Amino acid sequence: DVVMTQSPLSLPVTLGQPASISCRSSQSLVLSDGNTYLNWFQQRPGQSPRRLIYKVSNRDSGVPDRFSGSGSGTDFTLKISRVEAEDVGVYYCMQDTHWPGTFGQGTKVEIK
Amino acid sequence: EVQVVDSGGGLVQPGGSLRLSCVASGFTFSTYWMSWVRQAPGKGLEWVANIKEDGSEKYYVDSVKGRFTISRDNAKNSLFLQMNSLRVDDTAVYFCARGRWFDAWGQGTLVTVST
Repeated sequence: DVVMTQSPLSLPVTLGQPASISCRSSQSLVLSDGNTYLNWFQQRPGQSPRRLIYKVSNRDSGVPDRFSGSGSGTDFTLKISRVEAEDVGVYYCMQDTHWPGTFGQGTKVEIK
Repeated sequence: EVQVVDSGGGLVQPGGSLRLSCVASGFTFSTYWMSWVRQAPGKGLEWVANIKEDGSEKYYVDSVKGRFTISRDNAKNSLFLQMNSLRVDDTAVYFCARGRWFDAWGQGTLVTVST
């Protein structure tokens, strides 16, 4: 199975400051169709996960533009340009290029 | 509004069975793959199973193969997960999710396998 490794696992941030989460895969996530199936999810405390980003950099409907995704091959990044209080939670990357789909361990974002 | 509502969780003894259900609304259910994802207490997310739009293809994570069965009833906009031979390490919140890339999630239903 493809191993997804996130860093850091804990990310204390100051309100209004940027935040960045790294996700690395154990093999390339580029599929033969040319697409890279790397998604990002947010799970606020006590809530279900919510998809934020699909195929590396595409924001889902309703996701604030302070969230952005980038990367290629095996290295990916989720950035929050200015952290707000509602961004507290755990963030997961997930790949579905290779079967079975696998998630990273999660990065807990909290306010300093 | 897209909605998926999970149900059916509960407390069961090791070796027992449970059937989870998910009812969808706000989208054309029969045109989407559907999935189950679980989260053990205090842990991360794990994909469990998914099923093609017409039910003709089904896939499972290795740890549940032969014990869990995913199915759907498109006439009733419903997804199911039949869980047999349950083990303590199946204890988790189980989420129904739309598609293969989980763009909508249910609220989750807790399955506890314990004596």
